[in-house]
Amino acid sequence: DVKVTQSSRYLVKRTGEKVFLECVQDMDHENMFWYRQDPGLGLRLIYFSYDVKMKEKGDIPEGYSVSREKKERFSLILESASTNQTSMYLCAVNRDMDIFFGSGTRLTVV
Amino acid sequence: AQSVTQPDIHITVSEGASLELRCNYSYGATPYLFWYVQSPGQGLQLLLKYFSGDTLVQGIKGFEAEFKRSQSSFNLRKPSVHWSDAAEYFCAVGPRAGSARQLTFGSGTQLTVLP
Repeated sequence: DVKVTQSSRYLVKRTGEKVFLECVQDMDHENMFWYRQDPGLGLRLIYFSYDVKMKEKGDIPEGYSVSREKKERFSLILESASTNQTSMYLCAVNRDMDIFFGSGTRLTVV
Repeated sequence: AQSVTQPDIHITVSEGASLELRCNYSYGATPYLFWYVQSPGQGLQLLLKYFSGDTLVQGIKGFEAEFKRSQSSFNLRKPSVHWSDAAEYFCAVGPRAGSARQLTFGSGTQLTVLP
């Protein structure tokens, strides 16, 4: 199986800070995703990348940006963190129609 | 637009009892269907998927699911629940010929297992 590694399990940041969430995959897959998970709302797609330097907005991109300089790494950026961005963030990699998820980063913005 | 409904937010069963988690979808054609499980503090793990063929699919950890086109359902079942099955379960639907970017997830069902 694909291994997807998110560097931080828990993060606490202050309102207005710039936040980087990192995700690395161990295979040569093109497609990578960032989801946000909130109780009662399931998973919502923030951004999607289908190759290096290529990105596409998902369903809730506002307040977020992404970076994909290398194939194995996909970063989610909160330019100015706000309390409503407190959530669980999940990175994923796609092989055919199968998606493999990282363990998640639980971000708290205070 | 495609959608997924998991009608049960929370289900409690006793260890050893049978389990059925409901999933209903809305989609214009025959979809690609998935069930994922998320243990506390973890990412999602694929339990099983349906693409075509036999409508009863077997997955990991003793789970199975049945695709019923007439009911637009893809319910997850297990004959005897173990305490380690306590987790949150997500159903997802997507197009057969398309990108995983087009997957839609349900809001999840939290399973509690009583000793």
